[in-house]
Amino acid sequence: DAGVIQSPRHEVTEMGQEVTLRCKPISGHNSLFWYRQTMMRGLELLIYFNNNVPIDDSGMPEDRFSAKMPNASFSTLKIQPSEPRDSAVYFCASSLLRQGTGVQPQHFGDGTRLSIL
Amino acid sequence: RKEVEQDPGPFNVPEGATVAFNCTYSNSASQSFFWYRQDCRKEPKLLMSVYSSGNEDGRFTAQLNRASQYISLLIRDSKLSDSATYLCVLHTNAGKSTFGDGTTLTVKP
Repeated sequence: DAGVIQSPRHEVTEMGQEVTLRCKPISGHNSLFWYRQTMMRGLELLIYFNNNVPIDDSGMPEDRFSAKMPNASFSTLKIQPSEPRDSAVYFCASSLLRQGTGVQPQHFGDGTRLSIL
Repeated sequence: RKEVEQDPGPFNVPEGATVAFNCTYSNSASQSFFWYRQDCRKEPKLLMSVYSSGNEDGRFTAQLNRASQYISLLIRDSKLSDSATYLCVLHTNAGKSTFGDGTTLTVKP
């Protein structure tokens, strides 16, 4: 079975450019999470969706960051304009949230290594 | 105070040693708990779920103490291949997740 698929694997771009990260969750999963990981701040939850609806975006750093989930099999995280401090590894994860039995474990994609010059 | 606290380590232990990590949390609404393992430059991978009744998987034992609001991970007879960063994660019933910063383990010959 295919796991969570993220693209691109690596992205190097100049500051000020728009960056779009993509994620395809595991089929059948109804929760999707975007994380950012840096040495200084660890693994931070940016936003998560249940059934394609954003539930909590309190982790999104600022208005330059936006995320969408137009359908159950695709999500994007966009940074516009990008800044050097956005350099990090961005992970997407998906899981199954069942009413009554709670959250199942998350499965992570390979991540996107983003460098903003 | 962080919502989830982990001792960052590093823990440096010889092969065959027993090592234990704790993770304390402050959000009493936390309902589901897991331990993940992350290797250098890789994604986190599920190690095991954590229950109040305890959970054992081979050399690994996880435990949840709701009264004291901490979870633990015990690794017995540690192997070189256990060297990694171990992350605890908590979920509320609404699905929100909070990861600890991780504990780094190095097992040496």
